[in-house]
Amino acid sequence: TQLLEQSPQFLSIQEGENLTVYCNSSSVFSSLQWYRQEPGEGPVLLVTVVTGGEVKKLKRLTFQFGDARKDSSLHITAAQPGDTGLYLCAGARNQGGKLIFGQGTELSVKP
Amino acid sequence: GAVVSQHPSWVICKSGTSVKIECRSLDFQATTMFWYRQFPKQSLMLMATSNEGSKATYEQGVEKDKFLINHASLTLSTLTVTSAHPEDSSFYICSARPRGYEQYFGPGTRLTVT
Repeated sequence: TQLLEQSPQFLSIQEGENLTVYCNSSSVFSSLQWYRQEPGEGPVLLVTVVTGGEVKKLKRLTFQFGDARKDSSLHITAAQPGDTGLYLCAGARNQGGKLIFGQGTELSVKP
Repeated sequence: GAVVSQHPSWVICKSGTSVKIECRSLDFQATTMFWYRQFPKQSLMLMATSNEGSKATYEQGVEKDKFLINHASLTLSTLTVTSAHPEDSSFYICSARPRGYEQYFGPGTRLTVT
């Protein structure tokens, strides 16, 4: 049973396009993290959201935590080839708890 | 800050031998570290939670006698793959949590068993 459903799993777009990645669950999370991973490397933390309805921006990336803290989204504006990578969402049921990962979204941005 | 290192970054070993992977938090103390396994193009799969000074907690389906974890200090956890077989070949990643919610990941170790 996948507790955190991430979609889409694969996304190939042209430079300059916008995209949104979703993470959905029927469970409530105390926090949700988004990571980006490049081949052969470990995931790099992009953002942590902890409050329902919270929106955080990181340059062209916008992260949102659902009001009920069951879902989250990552929106990238004007994607660039450097955004290519595996994006992972991960939720924690409680502070200090283990992370539950989504399936990941493999993003490819073509010039 | 919050840098995690892993050593080695890659290792090739023969079937039947054991391999030890180190995970270190370089600029913070971590009472809890985590070990993950990742297959190509897939997400991370939690193997075990490593707690300093106590036994590791293994996820269902992970053989504790095969994957030995030792969290000897607040900055070091080790994963030993015992009697490795080709099916153990994978990308192993550790993470450490300085406080609160966030986990910081190491760069990973590519294990190939021949």
